[in-house]
Amino acid sequence: TQLLEQSPQFLSIQEGENLTVYCNSSSVFSSLQWYRQEPGEGPVLLVTVVTGGEVKKLKRLTFQFGDARKDSSLHITAAQPGDTGLYLCAGEARETSGSRLTFGEGTQLTVNP
Amino acid sequence: NAGVTQTPKFQVLKTGQSMTLQCAQDMNHNSMYWYRQDPGMGLRLIYYSASEGTTDKGEVPNGYNVSRLNKREFSLRLESAAPSQTSVYFCASGLAGQSYYEQYFGPGTRLTVT
Repeated sequence: TQLLEQSPQFLSIQEGENLTVYCNSSSVFSSLQWYRQEPGEGPVLLVTVVTGGEVKKLKRLTFQFGDARKDSSLHITAAQPGDTGLYLCAGEARETSGSRLTFGEGTQLTVNP
Repeated sequence: NAGVTQTPKFQVLKTGQSMTLQCAQDMNHNSMYWYRQDPGMGLRLIYYSASEGTTDKGEVPNGYNVSRLNKREFSLRLESAAPSQTSVYFCASGLAGQSYYEQYFGPGTRLTVT
């Protein structure tokens, strides 16, 4: 069973601060996704990273895939209250029976105005 | 284009009752998935279907059955509900390319078993 450890589990910061969320595993993944989930809703895909060392930017969010494709990070610059939510990383295992995702436990981010 | 839809949104069952959660996607994806989400445990895969006509067990399949009715629809059945099955259930559909993978989620069904 592939496991993904996400840290920190909870993060409460002030508007304007920077933060980084980490997602680590001992397993190699075909790709890694980051999702954001708001209360009462399903997770929404933010980004997929595929290549080791890949960096993707989505406005103030920067996603990085580790060189060995075992870990990833999400960095938010100048956080805003609208960034509040549950951030989930998920690693893809591509098998003959299809692709499956293993999810981390999530990071609950609260950005205070 | 509704994406992934789930019914019902809320359900309360008594122990031993049965029910079927419905899921449909209109994105023409081959793969569909059922997850449950519990506090502190993230999303755990119950069953998945890589293509029409196939289903496979995920991490926590006990107490559940699934049916891939056609390419669009994937249902989850609880034959005899137990309080341990109180959870939020999410359906998702997935699209895999040669160098990418994307999964899209429905809004969830909040199930309480008393």
